[in-house]
Amino acid sequence: DAEITQSPRHKITETGRQVTLACHQTWNHNNMFWYRQDLGHGLRLIHYSYGVQDTNKGEVSDGYSVSRSNTEDLPLTLESAASSQTSVYFCASSESPKNTEAFFGQGTRLTVV
Amino acid sequence: AQKITQTQPGMFVQEKEAVTLDCTYDTSDQSYGLFWYKQPSSGEMIFLIYQGSYDQQNATEGRYSLNFQKARKSANLVISASQLGDSAMYFCAGHRGSTLGRLYFGRGTQLTVWP
Repeated sequence: DAEITQSPRHKITETGRQVTLACHQTWNHNNMFWYRQDLGHGLRLIHYSYGVQDTNKGEVSDGYSVSRSNTEDLPLTLESAASSQTSVYFCASSESPKNTEAFFGQGTRLTVV
Repeated sequence: AQKITQTQPGMFVQEKEAVTLDCTYDTSDQSYGLFWYKQPSSGEMIFLIYQGSYDQQNATEGRYSLNFQKARKSANLVISASQLGDSAMYFCAGHRGSTLGRLYFGRGTQLTVWP
């Protein structure tokens, strides 16, 4: 079955370190997204991609970057981790142009100490 | 952008009763979509139901239905015959037709079903 997987599921890192969260989907979807979830804020969009070599900033993109070298993967990089980036991160994908459902990964809980 | 508002931080319902979770949205787009997701304590995001702005009828998926009132800009989720397993956080989300797949989320409603 097609799926979307995130790794790692849990990570603890130190302030200032570079961290990369992986997202891999086998749906062959063009659209991929990264969200962060914080109490009181719901999910907020960090970055997104509509296809290979395409990347775009979301509403909370500062301190994050993504790259899309193939259809399946959209890794999220924290250039220099900060305590404010402690959060749960969700990757999602959806089919274009039919967008009636976005499929979410299981989430990655990141703690920056 | 599209703003999604969920005004109920928490809701309680007795098992087998129906419950309505409120969601209002604010967009100037003519083409848009509205979603509901369930997030149980295990953390995953589970898609429940979708309503497109041009859909003539309210969406239904099993025990879930979406009460879509376009003029009032509301997209309330109705869960009929609540079950203990329905206890979870519920998120309303929307996307604009012009920004493929980008979802804007409300802050969520924590639903507790009691026996």
